[in-house]
Amino acid sequence: GQQLNQSPQSMFIQEGEDVSMNCTSSSIFNTWLWYKQDPGEGPVLLIALYKAGELTSNGRLTAQFGITRKDSFLNISASIPSDVGIYFCAGQPGAAGNMLTFGGGTRLMVKP
Amino acid sequence: DGGITQSPKYLFRKEGQNVTLSCEQNLNHDAMYWYRQDPGQGLRLIYYSQIVNDFQKGDIAEGYSVSREKKESFPLTVTSAQKNPTAFYLCASTLGGTVYNEQFFGPGTRLTVL
Repeated sequence: GQQLNQSPQSMFIQEGEDVSMNCTSSSIFNTWLWYKQDPGEGPVLLIALYKAGELTSNGRLTAQFGITRKDSFLNISASIPSDVGIYFCAGQPGAAGNMLTFGGGTRLMVKP
Repeated sequence: DGGITQSPKYLFRKEGQNVTLSCEQNLNHDAMYWYRQDPGQGLRLIYYSQIVNDFQKGDIAEGYSVSREKKESFPLTVTSAQKNPTAFYLCASTLGGTVYNEQFFGPGTRLTVL
């Protein structure tokens, strides 16, 4: 089935640093979604992308839908301790009704 | 407030017992999903339903069963046939019928089988 490669698997950074993570696929996606999951909670949607090349911001978060439709990245600027958690990418491969495929997650740890 | 609720938050069961996890949404969403998450892992799809009285198997349906008798409810039963049921279970829903496939998640149920 579809596979999404998300990297890095984990990051340990200093508060105030910028963070970048990405997802790549061997096939085309029509939608890219980025979620954050706090420990013991359900994932929360951060950003949704629907057009190739689209660049969308949500506060300190910025995500882009790759031109090839096979990749997406998420940047977090000026990280703070509450950014700690697991970030997941998810892609929808085709038309409406197709299932989402999730990446393996990036675990972010922020040192105050 | 509109949202997805899952209950209970924590569930303990003895090996060999069936257990049912609840998922309710008041978002008027058509489609609902069940995922399993193991420590340090991503989300794996168990079952999904795009309309009332209809559901399909996901990638890891063996040992699980579901029903969708009402639009707002999609309970998951973990049966004794599931060999390794201890995990974090997440329910999600989406509006359906559009090109927008944003899934919204409930808070999860952590099942521990003793």
